Amino acid sequence: DQQVKQNSPSLSVQEGRISILNCDYTNSMFDYFLWYKKYPAEGPTFLISISSIKDKNEDGRFTVFLNKSAKHLSLHIVPSQPGDSAVYFCAASGRRTGANNLFFGTGTRLTVIP
Amino acid sequence: EAGVTQFPSHSVIEKGQTVTLRCDPISGHDNLYWYRRVMGKEIKFLLHFVKESKQDESGMPNNRFLAERTGGTYSTLKVQPAELEDSGVYFCASSTGLVDTQYFGPGTRLTVL
Repeated sequence: DQQVKQNSPSLSVQEGRISILNCDYTNSMFDYFLWYKKYPAEGPTFLISISSIKDKNEDGRFTVFLNKSAKHLSLHIVPSQPGDSAVYFCAASGRRTGANNLFFGTGTRLTVIP
Repeated sequence: EAGVTQFPSHSVIEKGQTVTLRCDPISGHDNLYWYRRVMGKEIKFLLHFVKESKQDESGMPNNRFLAERTGGTYSTLKVQPAELEDSGVYFCASSTGLVDTQYFGPGTRLTVL
């Protein structure tokens, strides 16, 4: 049973606009959340993370929002650039349990149109 | 600093054969993880080493999979005998401490015919 879900397999956005990628999780033991970006033939590259004690974390053009009551997180990219075109994976872990193995969603393919 | 490397990048074998995948983590990273992505699905955890010890192997699908990390450096993942459903991309990741960011290698694409 999948514990992290990304329900949008793809998203297209115009360059300069905001990209919003969504992720839902079911396991209440998850307390750390990450976004990874993946280009073809490469491994996932860490992008940004957020701990469950926060509801927002920002790094340059990338902001992650966490809504614990809804078990939902989102990644905002502003402004979107063509180089952001990639597959984005949401991931979660339950660090309080002493484990750091990651549970991933199926990914969302973002295409930024110039 | 060199990243996580994996070898081979691609392997095509027939059902019933044996394949060994190798991962070299970032130097100094005690934690090493194996993951697998099958047919465009989610990336799934297989197992976790801390140095040479298996910390968690709850994700290993069955006893046809054997992972080792002798000396706490590189790791190998052997599939014997390979089945069709083992096809996918196998990723290795490493981190310094248990709660530190995991850095992924480029993956090995395994195709079982």
